Amino acid sequence: DAKTTQPPSMDCAEGRAANLPCNHSTISGNEYVYWYRQIHSQGPQYIIHGLKNNETNEMASLIITEDRKSSTLILPHATLRDTAVYYCIGPGQGGSEKLVFGKGTKLTVNP
Amino acid sequence: EAGVTQFPSHSVIEKGQTVTLRCDPISGHDNLYWYRRVMGKEIKFLLHFVKESKQDESGMPNNRFLAERTGGTYSTLKVQPAELEDSGVYFCASSPLGLLHEQYFGPGTRLTVT
Repeated sequence: DAKTTQPPSMDCAEGRAANLPCNHSTISGNEYVYWYRQIHSQGPQYIIHGLKNNETNEMASLIITEDRKSSTLILPHATLRDTAVYYCIGPGQGGSEKLVFGKGTKLTVNP
Repeated sequence: EAGVTQFPSHSVIEKGQTVTLRCDPISGHDNLYWYRRVMGKEIKFLLHFVKESKQDESGMPNNRFLAERTGGTYSTLKVQPAELEDSGVYFCASSPLGLLHEQYFGPGTRLTVT
């Protein structure tokens, strides 16, 4: 399974951009990187995914380095409701559709 | 559009008893997944259905766990007999065919085995 590494925790001020890094040096050339988050007591929620180009949707932006060894999830204007554990996920082995969750980054947005 | 629903939201049973968890995926989603988080650990994959067929059950911990998806709609996950280490939160997720890894999760069932 593609292994990812994230800092265990981060803080961000409300209204500021939250930049969450992820290292995924073992990801192969045709494997996507997926980001999910889990708000307390809820199920995980899909945020965004990317292969090699930067991606943006209504929730976030994803910046992937040219060598694809790392990426950064950007929440442009963090709110208190963005406080959650954020997971950077590589796919399972052999094309499996399972998600392989690590420990993630606990993001706390402060007022 | 209704999301993924799971029933019950909480279940407390004694060791040795049987519990059945239910998941109703989003209508039209052929992929259905079960995951669980046991206390202090990461969320782990259990198995994956495509319609009524088990596509990947590599994460099922042992033969006390039985998952079914008759008719390719809702799914059940039965634990029989339950052990203390089965306590945790069981999540179900679904996705349409071809939409790899964009999975929609339910709120989970919190299982406590005493």
